Amino acid sequence: AAGVIQSPRHLIKEKRETATLKCYPIPRHDTVYWYQQGPGQDPQFLISFYEKMQSDKGSIPDRFSAQQFSDYHSELNMSSLELGDSALYFCASSPPGLARRDTQYFGPGTRLTVL
Amino acid sequence: AQSVTQLGSHVSVSEGALVLLRCNYSSSVPPYLFWYVQYPNQGLQLLLKYTSAATLVKGINGFEAEFKKSETSFHLTKPSAHMSDAAEYFCAVSDDSGGSNYKLTFGKGTLLTVNP
Repeated sequence: AAGVIQSPRHLIKEKRETATLKCYPIPRHDTVYWYQQGPGQDPQFLISFYEKMQSDKGSIPDRFSAQQFSDYHSELNMSSLELGDSALYFCASSPPGLARRDTQYFGPGTRLTVL
Repeated sequence: AQSVTQLGSHVSVSEGALVLLRCNYSSSVPPYLFWYVQYPNQGLQLLLKYTSAATLVKGINGFEAEFKKSETSFHLTKPSAHMSDAAEYFCAVSDDSGGSNYKLTFGKGTLLTVNP
């Protein structure tokens, strides 16, 4: 079965650089969530999209922006990177309908290292 | 706002022993609760979920959890630990604000170590 695809899997950047993380949800899933997991931490919700519109926003820095495109894939853009942005970034997708509340499929994550 | 608290950041058991990972929730409405497992340098895998149906939920890899409203708990158990169960376990609750916002709020995680 198709899973959530994230690219790249690993990314190394210098401070003050920019990074773009991509997420391809499971086909026919219309909701995408982004989470950030710092070293030794629990995942923290960043932002979500439903039918290409931002549906919720969590503890996402103003330096970060995201969007969901017409094909439902999503991109997380991160600018002016800081050392503290080093983390594992997960994308999750949910199917339409009632299952949206109780079903999130997670991708393998993108490990971002800021030097 | 919903939240979950995992008691014990590190649990160590012997192979073949009972596994008990504790999770208590705080929610103003009946919650949707989840247990996820994360192996080193990997993503999050859903073990099981509670969605207001049966209070005893069976998941993958022999794990199960029981929803106890009176105790606001959703503890994860497995009768007999296997070496391959060593991982980080996260309890999570789904946002109940409705609409399309069902973000997950995770507990701090419990690292399970299985000793031979």
